[in-house]
Amino acid sequence: ILNVEQSPQSLHVQEGDSTNFTCSFPSSNFYALHWYRWETAKSPEALFVMTLNGDEKKKGRISATLNTKEGYSYLYIKGSQPEDSATYLCARGYSTLTFGKGTMLLVSP
Amino acid sequence: EAGVTQFPSHSVIEKGQTVTLRCDPISGHDNLYWYRRVMGKEIKFLLHFVKESKQDESGMPNNRFLAERTGGTYSTLKVQPAELEDSGVYFCASSQSFTFDFAGGQKRRNEQFFGPGTRLTVL
Repeated sequence: ILNVEQSPQSLHVQEGDSTNFTCSFPSSNFYALHWYRWETAKSPEALFVMTLNGDEKKKGRISATLNTKEGYSYLYIKGSQPEDSATYLCARGYSTLTFGKGTMLLVSP
Repeated sequence: EAGVTQFPSHSVIEKGQTVTLRCDPISGHDNLYWYRRVMGKEIKFLLHFVKESKQDESGMPNNRFLAERTGGTYSTLKVQPAELEDSGVYFCASSQSFTFDFAGGQKRRNEQFFGPGTRLTVL
């Protein structure tokens, strides 16, 4: 993997469903993995910054895991709510960030 | 604490015109970054300032783009003359000063705080 890749590109779930997204990245020269939540016309909101292999972070109903050896991170949302609808971005790097294209999540009531 | 602010929020200009975008970072943040998202693509790094110095400008697309950060506070990004392909959302981000610290296996995280972006449309 040469770039940061995210899947799926978009996702439509019902309120209450749990969901997860994948971020894949080059495992060599790894320093940090960032997750952001972005609603159009607003500031991307930092969710997590993870640096160590095996890191697990949690913020309310959202959690993330990191595997630096195989180059992937998962973001989980438990019991999705309509207000979770946003684009979820992951980025690799410490100073300059390399972003994936994002996963667009739509949660219907 | 005020977040990163950007001005204007939207700008529509014609090809060949000049536009200047402004970013005010979080007070006390030495690091300031410019990124750009072209429609349908990923957010891409343009430039990194540490205080008033350009630390890394490897992402600047060409010499039509000029970024400044006089005094190490706010920054401006000027596009002159603008071309159609310059359309997109220009984000600014800031972070505190950081040093690499590997003591005990700990790494200092460099959390970057983003502004809402300036949506630039070149017609």
